[in-house]
Amino acid sequence: GAVVSQHPSRVICKSGTSVKIECRSLDFQATTMFWYRQFPKQSLMLMATSNEGSKATYEQGVEKDKFLINHASLTLSTLTVTSAHPEDSSFYICSAPSRGEETYEQYFGPGTRLTVT
Amino acid sequence: ILNVEQSPQSLHVQEGDSTNFTCSFPSSNFYALHWYRWETAKSPEALFVMTLNGDEKKKGRISATLNTKEGYSYLYIKGSQPEDSATYLCASDSLNDYKLSFGAGTTVTVRA
Repeated sequence: GAVVSQHPSRVICKSGTSVKIECRSLDFQATTMFWYRQFPKQSLMLMATSNEGSKATYEQGVEKDKFLINHASLTLSTLTVTSAHPEDSSFYICSAPSRGEETYEQYFGPGTRLTVT
Repeated sequence: ILNVEQSPQSLHVQEGDSTNFTCSFPSSNFYALHWYRWETAKSPEALFVMTLNGDEKKKGRISATLNTKEGYSYLYIKGSQPEDSATYLCASDSLNDYKLSFGAGTTVTVRA
């Protein structure tokens, strides 16, 4: 199957700083990528859709100025958590769809654990 | 956002035993149901994508069924092995827009 990488896998930062997370599709091109967030014992929740060549679209309740998304190329999307606060501590994971024979599959990165102190 | 639910939240299985668990999803505007297997520190691995009512798919000892009319899917593991220990996620796509609504997962622990 296709491979999506994510970097870093774990980051600890101080309150008020910004953190950038990279998501790369390694062996296929992705005009669209998705960013999810997961709090402990909860579901993966879609935050935003990253679109190559255009602005990201955000789900209701997600602050676009807090979570900056840039889809720089057909293989790279970045999520920047700006002015991070402890409540932003979470698990962030990206995915990219790839069309298959019958339908499509979503390929996920391994995720990034963000801890804001 | 679709309300996708999985049960049980966790289960423990003796090696060699078979098990199954459930994913329920809204049946209206259904497009596809995805199952993933997720091991700690790894990427979720796609197991199945199912679109048609009555679909049954199999991958080794793991299989899944789909009932779109009543809004549920079962995942079965036959002859569980320790390497089957993982969290199994289901996700529904209602609009074929690639946006997935996930359940919270069922964590399976297989005891040797």
